[in-house]
Amino acid sequence: GAVVSQHPSRVICKSGTSVKIECRSLDFQATTMFWYRQFPKQSLMLMATSNEGSKATYEQGVEKDKFLINHASLTLSTLTVTSAHPEDSSFYICSARDMGQGTSEQYFGPGTRLTVT
Amino acid sequence: AQSVTQPDIHITVSEGASLELRCNYSYGATPYLFWYVQSPGQGLQLLLKYFSGDTLVQGIKGFEAEFKRSQSSFNLRKPSVHWSDAAEYFCAVGADSGYSTLTFGKGTMLLVSP
Repeated sequence: GAVVSQHPSRVICKSGTSVKIECRSLDFQATTMFWYRQFPKQSLMLMATSNEGSKATYEQGVEKDKFLINHASLTLSTLTVTSAHPEDSSFYICSARDMGQGTSEQYFGPGTRLTVT
Repeated sequence: AQSVTQPDIHITVSEGASLELRCNYSYGATPYLFWYVQSPGQGLQLLLKYFSGDTLVQGIKGFEAEFKRSQSSFNLRKPSVHWSDAAEYFCAVGADSGYSTLTFGKGTMLLVSP
């Protein structure tokens, strides 16, 4: 149980275009999902916390107009990178918290490798 | 604010030898502690977690970790390392409210030599 999927696993886009990444909890409901960004050989940096039915909470320094997050259902959150630039190339990982548990435990997706050319 | 320190950026261990990866945390209340493993280009897999109770916790793949409150540590151990254990290991801490975020350490890259 507690499986989180991400789609796509890899995406290459041209500079100036937008890319949407999906994060789904497959076998549980997640009121809260998290989006992380990971640079090569670095730790995960939390970008935003996404709560179902409400606006996402962005970490300091993360542009909310550039990284649009939508959490329209209890099993799906999307991250859209708008007007992507090469510096947005990174590994994006989502996680979801099982609403049935009152703990910090998060289940992570396999990640999406974004390359902007 | 909570923080996690993994003092070793890289560790090289011979296959079959024992392993200990260090993790120190800073948190004012009772922490929820996690160890994750990440293979290249992959997401994070949970190895084990500590919420309460027995301070020695067993995880998957033969890993264990010991919570030592007096030392604010949660070190990961394995008695005999396999070549397939080569990966990046992250320690993380979260609060017990259920609504907090996780704070990750910078990770330790484990290299396994033949």
